[in-house]
Amino acid sequence: GQQLNQSPQSMFIQEGEDVSMNCTSSSIFNTWLWYKQDPGEGPVLLIALYKAGELTSNGRLTAQFGITRKDSFLNISASIPSDVGIYFCAGLLVGGSQGNLIFGKGTKLSVKP
Amino acid sequence: GAVVSQHPSWVICKSGTSVKIECRSLDFQATTMFWYRQFPKQSLMLMATSNEGSKATYEQGVEKDKFLINHASLTLSTLTVTSAHPEDSSFYICSASWTGRFIQYFGAGTRLSVL
Repeated sequence: GQQLNQSPQSMFIQEGEDVSMNCTSSSIFNTWLWYKQDPGEGPVLLIALYKAGELTSNGRLTAQFGITRKDSFLNISASIPSDVGIYFCAGLLVGGSQGNLIFGKGTKLSVKP
Repeated sequence: GAVVSQHPSWVICKSGTSVKIECRSLDFQATTMFWYRQFPKQSLMLMATSNEGSKATYEQGVEKDKFLINHASLTLSTLTVTSAHPEDSSFYICSASWTGRFIQYFGAGTRLSVL
């Protein structure tokens, strides 16, 4: 099946540092979403991207929809302890089943105070 | 806005019994609901997609008779795990979206433990 390659798999950083993670695919997507999941909870939507090249911010989070429509990145600036969690990218394929998202395997973020 | 409520959050049951999990969209009409299963330290695995008033579409390898899905209204979908066995123990998460908007809003998940 279709896959999203999400990297890094995990990150262990110091509080205050910036974080960057990305997702790539060999397929073209027409929507990219970034979610955060805390332990024992469902994913929470952080940012939604709809157009190639689109750059969107949500507080300290910034995400971009790649020009080729095959990739996206998420940046977190000045990380804080509550940023800890697993971040998932998700994409909607061009021509894919309506509404069915493809998920990356997640990036586990740990922040040291 | 776009709140999805999932209940129960945690359930323990005996092997051979059935368990029902509810997923409700609280402030929007969910034309489509999704059911996922998540194993520890892994990503979400789509089990099935359901549109209101229609039969659910199951992903390959998911047993329809074991995981019964009902989407009888625009605000409620249920997943029933029938004759549960220990290997069915997992974290089940629902999500919902509405027509023309492909963002999925997730419930908080249900931890199922089958003894």
